[in-house]
Amino acid sequence: DAGITQSPRYKITETGRQVTLMCHQTWSHSYMFWYRQDLGHGLRLIYYSAAADITDKGEVPDGYVVSRSKTENFPLTLESATRSQTSVYFCASSGGTGTSGGQALFYNEQFFGPGTRLTVL
Amino acid sequence: TQLLEQSPQFLSIQEGENLTVYCNSSSVFSSLQWYRQEPGEGPVLLVTVVTGGEVKKLKRLTFQFGDARKDSSLHITAAQPGDTGLYLCAGAGGANNLFFGTGTRLTVIP
Repeated sequence: DAGITQSPRYKITETGRQVTLMCHQTWSHSYMFWYRQDLGHGLRLIYYSAAADITDKGEVPDGYVVSRSKTENFPLTLESATRSQTSVYFCASSGGTGTSGGQALFYNEQFFGPGTRLTVL
Repeated sequence: TQLLEQSPQFLSIQEGENLTVYCNSSSVFSSLQWYRQEPGEGPVLLVTVVTGGEVKKLKRLTFQFGDARKDSSLHITAAQPGDTGLYLCAGAGGANNLFFGTGTRLTVIP
């Protein structure tokens, strides 16, 4: 099916364990993103990727690792899960950026996956 | 961090009423987007505004970008139960980052 998918949809793990959340998109979008959504904080950017093998930190990257060996996949790994990482995680993709007056804009529509609800006990 | 504050946080209204949701920041954004999110799903883009003072209409929804590109508003006319959801504004400040507001949870009562 075309679109953006995330797996698993629900995950319960224990403190200290490694967890990997998967994200797959079929549009060949160049940009992919990982966000976490918590009450009172809205959506916060963890990491993003402009293309395969290019990743960069967002607002809250500590405790997370990403990779992007293929354009369509962007896994997010919690190397040693902590309770504070209990959250709903959303993956998103977009076709890229535009420009205006020589300044890069970042307004292309982002398409979001259905989310992964992660609980760390 | 470029903070985007939305108000109100929660809004419960009767079907047919009008409402306005606000998105404010002390930072200037090159563009601003509005998304709607329903329970158990990811956000879905409603509109993007790019020019200061810009007004866009999407059926019963009217979006405005402030002249100084620091704030935006979403006005819904004659709200319907199908408008229920979490409304998020998101500002693009630099080349790659998108900053989301804390959201306004709207409930429209039939």
